Amino acid sequence: TQLLEQSPQFLSIQEGENLTVYCNSSSVFSSLQWYRQEPGEGPVLLVTVVTGGEVKKLKRLTFQFGDARKDSSLHITAAQPGDTGLYLCAGAVSGGSNYKLTFGKGTLLTVNP
Amino acid sequence: DSGVTQTPKHLITATGQRVTLRCSPRSGDLSVYWYQQSLDQGLQFLIQYYNGEERAKGNILERFSAQQFPDLHSELNLSSLELGDSALYFCASSEGPHLSSYNSPLHFGNGTRLTVT
Repeated sequence: TQLLEQSPQFLSIQEGENLTVYCNSSSVFSSLQWYRQEPGEGPVLLVTVVTGGEVKKLKRLTFQFGDARKDSSLHITAAQPGDTGLYLCAGAVSGGSNYKLTFGKGTLLTVNP
Repeated sequence: DSGVTQTPKHLITATGQRVTLRCSPRSGDLSVYWYQQSLDQGLQFLIQYYNGEERAKGNILERFSAQQFPDLHSELNLSSLELGDSALYFCASSEGPHLSSYNSPLHFGNGTRLTVT
């Protein structure tokens, strides 16, 4: 069983601050996805990273995949109240022709105005 | 809007009862996935159907069952409900049979919140 540990579990910051959340595992993943889930809604895919060491940017969000493809980080610059939500990472392991997707428990981010 | 529709939005029932959750996938998507989300376990994969056939099974209890109909909508049946079954149940859909983040990303519905009292 591939376990994904996300940290911190909870994060409350002020608007304009920077933050980084982490997703760690002892397993190697074919790819890793980040989702954001807002209250009352389902998770929405933000990005997929595939190559070890890969960095992807989505406006103020920077995603990095570890060199060994076991961990990932999400950095948010100048956080805004609209960034509030549960950030989930999900690791994909290829099992033949199908992927198994394992989710972490998430980091609950609150950005206060 | 993901295009995935789940009903009902909220469901309150008693222990021992049976409920049915319904999901309509995004137009064009043939795969439907069911997930359970709770505070202690996070998002857990239950089962996948593709074009009416069971494709993959996760941590689904024997008291739970699902099916996908010819019109591609899916139902998740939960029976002999226990207090611990209280959770958010999400349906997700994707285009193909293989869960690939590139060619067939997951689109989640807004979930059904089940409360067992």
